[in-house]
Amino acid sequence: DIVMTQSPLSLPVTPGEPASISCRSSQSLLHRNGNTYLYWYLQKPGQSPQLLIYLGFNRASGVPDRFSGSGSGTDFTLKISRVEAEDVGIYYCMHALQIPITFGQGTRLEIK
Amino acid sequence: QVQLQESGPGLVKPSQTLSLTCTVSGVSINNGDSYWSWIRQHPGKGLEWIGYMHYSGTTYYNPSLRSRITLSVDTSKSQFSLKLNSVTAADTAVYFCARFYHDSSTLYPNWFDPWGQGTLVTVSS
Repeated sequence: DIVMTQSPLSLPVTPGEPASISCRSSQSLLHRNGNTYLYWYLQKPGQSPQLLIYLGFNRASGVPDRFSGSGSGTDFTLKISRVEAEDVGIYYCMHALQIPITFGQGTRLEIK
Repeated sequence: QVQLQESGPGLVKPSQTLSLTCTVSGVSINNGDSYWSWIRQHPGKGLEWIGYMHYSGTTYYNPSLRSRITLSVDTSKSQFSLKLNSVTAADTAVYFCARFYHDSSTLYPNWFDPWGQGTLVTVSS
């Protein structure tokens, strides 16, 4: 199984400040077709996860442009340029390169 | 707008079978690029993929749960189901259904979206 490791696990942020979450996979998520099968989800309090970023860096429909995904191979980053109160929740990275699909442990973003 | 809604008992006794159903609306369950999925979240913990099924019958399971899982699709009711047998307290979790959007020829985009709201299943006597 591919192990997904996130850091930090807790991230207190002042509104308006940037935030960054790291995700590392135990093997490369680059497929021979050129796609990198890395995704980011946000689970807001009391809600189900919602898709933020797909295939490493593509924002899902309706996702604000303050969210961006980057990285390659085994090292990936989700950045929020200016955190807003509505961004609180748990952020998960996920791979979909092979079975089983696995998720990171989650990073809890809270507002200072 | 695609929507999914889980239903089923919230309490299951140890050693019995957990049975959940997900009702799909806004898209045909026969959609060729959709794999109907189950994901669970143990209390206060992260996410665990359980498995998914295509309406054609193609099924993929998490190897860690494979021996205890049965997935099925009922196209006439636009529903898909999960059965997990021989449950223990370790199976207590919020169970989500979701659509895994996957074109098998292009391997694109391979995302879970949307998700149902989730349903808590407690295993206890």
